[in-house]
Amino acid sequence: GNSVTQMEGPVTLSEEAFLTINCTYTATGYPSLFWYVQYPGEGLQLLLKATKADDKGSNKGFEATYRKETTSFHLEKGSVQVSDSAVYFCALSFFQLQEGSGNTGKLIFGQGTTLQVKP
Amino acid sequence: SAVISQKPSRDICQRGTSLTIQCQVDSQVTMMFWYRQQPGQSLTLIATANQGSEATYESGFVIDKFPISRPNLTFSTLTVSNMSPEDSSIYLCSVEGRRTDGYTFGSGTRLTVV
Repeated sequence: GNSVTQMEGPVTLSEEAFLTINCTYTATGYPSLFWYVQYPGEGLQLLLKATKADDKGSNKGFEATYRKETTSFHLEKGSVQVSDSAVYFCALSFFQLQEGSGNTGKLIFGQGTTLQVKP
Repeated sequence: SAVISQKPSRDICQRGTSLTIQCQVDSQVTMMFWYRQQPGQSLTLIATANQGSEATYESGFVIDKFPISRPNLTFSTLTVSNMSPEDSSIYLCSVEGRRTDGYTFGSGTRLTVV
């Protein structure tokens, strides 16, 4: 079946450190991939996305590249800030246009990775 | 992308009672999704709601416990019935955007059952 696996947390970094949060997926077909962020006490916000192989999603200094050969979508940021402290979720989905995958239109989430950035 | 208004934002309920959560979208959408996020866990899809048809439930979720209404293309409700402390979670609704937009989530309803 389709699934997403993220690295275990929590991840604790000092301000300005380099961040990598690993995400790998298993999917039948060609999913779209997402990173969502959940700040303390808030709902989910889309951070970035990629809809096909080799696409790079980027937003707010975060980047992730859709690697079909390694089935990965690792999240990176060159210099984290205290305000980046949150829970990060990797997710995949098949849009309705891709019929036959059995999972059209819904998101499948990884378990989430908590990031704590200390000043 | 769509804007979702979800309410209530939080509630504390007695066991055995029911709570109805509402989601209002500022544009017409075909599919709406309801998720549950148990404390410290990831999100799990409860059901998919299409206008004019019965909701489609995921394995482990049943209509008697989580009845859903979808009366039109901009509105849906999820009811958590006969609640127990194990139902304490954040419940979120979501809609699918166009292919390039991804998904939008409501701000969530934080439910505590005592």
